[in-house]
This record gives sequence, structure tokens and C-alpha cells, in this order.
Amino acid sequence: GNSVTQMEGPVTLSEEAFLTINCTYTATGYPSLFWYVQYPGEGLQLLLKATKADDKGSNKGFEATYRKETTSFHLEKGSVQVSDSAVYFCALIGAAGNKLTFGGGTRVLVKP
Amino acid sequence: GAGVSQSPRYKVAKRGQDVALRCDPISGHVSLFWYQQALGQGPEFLTYFQNEAQLDKSGLPSDRFFAERPEGSVSTLKIQRTQQEDSAVYLCASSLAGEAFFGQGTRLTVV
Repeated sequence: GNSVTQMEGPVTLSEEAFLTINCTYTATGYPSLFWYVQYPGEGLQLLLKATKADDKGSNKGFEATYRKETTSFHLEKGSVQVSDSAVYFCALIGAAGNKLTFGGGTRVLVKP
Repeated sequence: GAGVSQSPRYKVAKRGQDVALRCDPISGHVSLFWYQQALGQGPEFLTYFQNEAQLDKSGLPSDRFFAERPEGSVSTLKIQRTQQEDSAVYLCASSLAGEAFFGQGTRLTVV
């Protein structure tokens, strides 16, 4: 079946630091890949997505590239802000499906 | 409505009690999903509706869990004879064109 593995947190950074959250997946065919973010006290929000190999999703300064050869979709941001403190979830929808399979989430804390 | 609305936001149930969790999806969204999120973990799929039809219920953990969407809009997730391991946040999402929009969830605590 499908699965997503992402680095465990918490990840603690200083403001303006570089952020990387690793995500790898197992799926048959070509899944669609997503990053969701959950800010404190709020629901899950779609951050970015990529639907085919080599696509790059980007939003709010975050980027992730769909790497079929390494089955990865690592999330990066060049300069984090305190407001980026949240839990980040990597997820996929399988090629023939419509339900999301999530990783375990990575808590990020950005200190001023 | 503007977003997916879930109620109640918090529910405390005594072990053995039945509970009903409600989801109001975004108007016009055909697809509706329920997920269960245990503390410190990612959400896990429970069940999926397309309009009023329940097309996938493979994630429901036991026959104590039941979901319905009789008119293709509002959905209810019912848990009978709750047990402590049912304590979790229950998330509802509605979807259009492949993008899922999540509600804030219902946090269920079974004591």
C-alpha cells in the first residue's frame, strides 16, 4: 500500500534560518504529492502540491520538487519567520485513488 | 459556507457512550472524507463519500464506526460504545478538483 515517511521533529530554528523537512514515499505509479500545514489552533491547510515528476510546488516562500527517482518531496524554505511555526505534513494521493495518505508530521518551531 | 464546519469542536464521552460528529462541507463539493488523527500522528483515512454514496469505508477501524451522508451534503460520523482508543481528533474534508479543504476537527476524549 501507499506510505509516507517524514523526518521527526521537533525542528527548532532561529528566524531567517534555512528549513528542510525530508519526505519520502512509497506508492505504485505516479501519485500526486502534497504538503499540508497546521498552524496552532487551526485546521489543516494545503501549502503546496505537485502532480507529476519534476514538478515544483511553491507557496509562501516554501518549495518542494517531485523527485520520482528518489521517491522524495522534500520541503524547503530559505528564510523562515516566527509565523512559520507549525506542524507540517507530507501526503500523497495514489495514482488510482482520491484519499490522502499522510506522514506523521513534523513540528517546526522558529525562535526570534 | 465559507469553509468546512465541524461540530462539536470538543466532545468528552464516557466509555460505552455513543457519539455523533457532524460535518458541513463546502457547498457544492461532491467529495467528502473523514480522517482520524491520534495525538502526535498524521491523519488516517476512515471513509469517503461521493454525493450520498459511501464509496470507500476501508479505513473504519471497527463496526462500531458508522458514517452517513443521506442528502449528499452534511455528513455524520457515529461511534457506538466508545472506547478509550477512540480518543482522537476527527477531521472532515471536502474536495473539489482534487484539492481537499479540511475542517478544524472534533477532538473526542473518551474517559
